[in-house]
Amino acid sequence: DAVMTQSPLSLPVTLGQPASISCRSSQSLVYSDGKTYLNWFQQRPGQSPRRLIYMVSNRDSGVPDRFSGSGSGTDFTLKISSVEAEDVGIYYCMQGTPWPWTFGQGTKVEI
Amino acid sequence: QVQLVESGGGLVKPGGCLRLSCAASGFPFSDYYMGWIRQAPGRGLEWLSYISGSSVDTNYADSVKGRFTISRDNAKNSLYLQMNSLRAEDTAVYYCATGPEIRNVDYWGQGTLVTVSS
Repeated sequence: DAVMTQSPLSLPVTLGQPASISCRSSQSLVYSDGKTYLNWFQQRPGQSPRRLIYMVSNRDSGVPDRFSGSGSGTDFTLKISSVEAEDVGIYYCMQGTPWPWTFGQGTKVEI
Repeated sequence: QVQLVESGGGLVKPGGCLRLSCAASGFPFSDYYMGWIRQAPGRGLEWLSYISGSSVDTNYADSVKGRFTISRDNAKNSLYLQMNSLRAEDTAVYYCATGPEIRNVDYWGQGTLVTVSS
């Protein structure tokens, strides 16, 4: 299985400051179609996960542009350019390349 | 808009069975792969299974293979998960999920809680 390792697992942030979460895969996430299926999700307390970024760097509709994704192969990053109070929650990376598709352990972002 | 509504969760004894349902709307159901993801209390997320629009292509995580069966009824716009031989470690919130490309899992339901306990 592709093991997804996130760091840090806990991320205290200051409002208005940038934040960054790393996600590393135990194997390349480039699929046979040439695409890289690496997604980022935000889960607020009591809610279902919500996708923020798909295929490494594509921001979903309605997601603030302070969120960005980057990376390739096995190393990926989610960045928040300027943290706002509503960004509190747990962030997960997820790979959709080799089955079983797997999630990182989650990074808890708190103010 | 896309709506996924899970049902069928509840309390079941170890060794028991349960059938989860997911009612879908707002997208061409028969064209989309569908899947089930679970989240144990206070823990991370785990992909369990997916099924193609025609039901020809299915896959399961090792943790549920041989015990859980995914199926769908395109006439009813519904997805199912038959869960047999339930164990305490199957206790979790179960989410139904889909998207134009299932590997990117665009949409999630609100989840249904399954508790396996004597």
